[in-house]
Amino acid sequence: GQNIDQPTEMTATEGAIVQINCTYQTSGFNGLFWYQQHAGEAPTFLSYNVLDGLEEKGRFSSFLSRSKGYSYLLLKELQMKDSASYLCAVRDSNYQLIWGAGTKLIIKP
Amino acid sequence: GAVVSQHPSWVICKSGTSVKIECRSLDFQATTMFWYRQFPKQSLMLMATSNEGSKATYEQGVEKDKFLINHASLTLSTLTVTSAHPEDSSFYICSARVVVASGGLETQYFGPGTRLLVL
Repeated sequence: GQNIDQPTEMTATEGAIVQINCTYQTSGFNGLFWYQQHAGEAPTFLSYNVLDGLEEKGRFSSFLSRSKGYSYLLLKELQMKDSASYLCAVRDSNYQLIWGAGTKLIIKP
Repeated sequence: GAVVSQHPSWVICKSGTSVKIECRSLDFQATTMFWYRQFPKQSLMLMATSNEGSKATYEQGVEKDKFLINHASLTLSTLTVTSAHPEDSSFYICSARVVVASGGLETQYFGPGTRLLVL
């Protein structure tokens, strides 16, 4: 079956760095997405990786290793507004998005 | 960027009534839209894929006669929850498939969601 694993919850301190991991087992691979979802709101697109390596976008970076079925989202200089759930999603061979359950990130002052 | 709107944002209805939710792409045309349902503290669950001008494709376990989807134009898809029951209470979110780069990268942009409470 298809499976996406992320930690359920993480806690970090304002100003610090946090890495959210995502491992996947899917039928085929056509890209990995990270979304941010604040409580009560719909997800917003953060990043996309289809080739191995690191994609940097401001305070957020996303890494992919296809051979390991692994990705991480790196958040730097954490701000209180970064408190949200972070969803990892993989597009499979049928171009369907397979969603992880999300990681709830709690930022403390 | 691509903007997707949903209406209404909140609806409370009595059991047995039908509720229609609209999803609009405001500044682009969307041939494909998706409808998701999300229960509290759970991830998104894809309900169906809506293609303009054709019948929607439903995921396994989703009743097509209960969740009617109409994608009559390139900017509007509607989801109608027929004969709603309390267990249908959920957060319903639509998204539109968007090409975000000249290289053909596709992603989904989400509407703000509709909270449905069935009493």
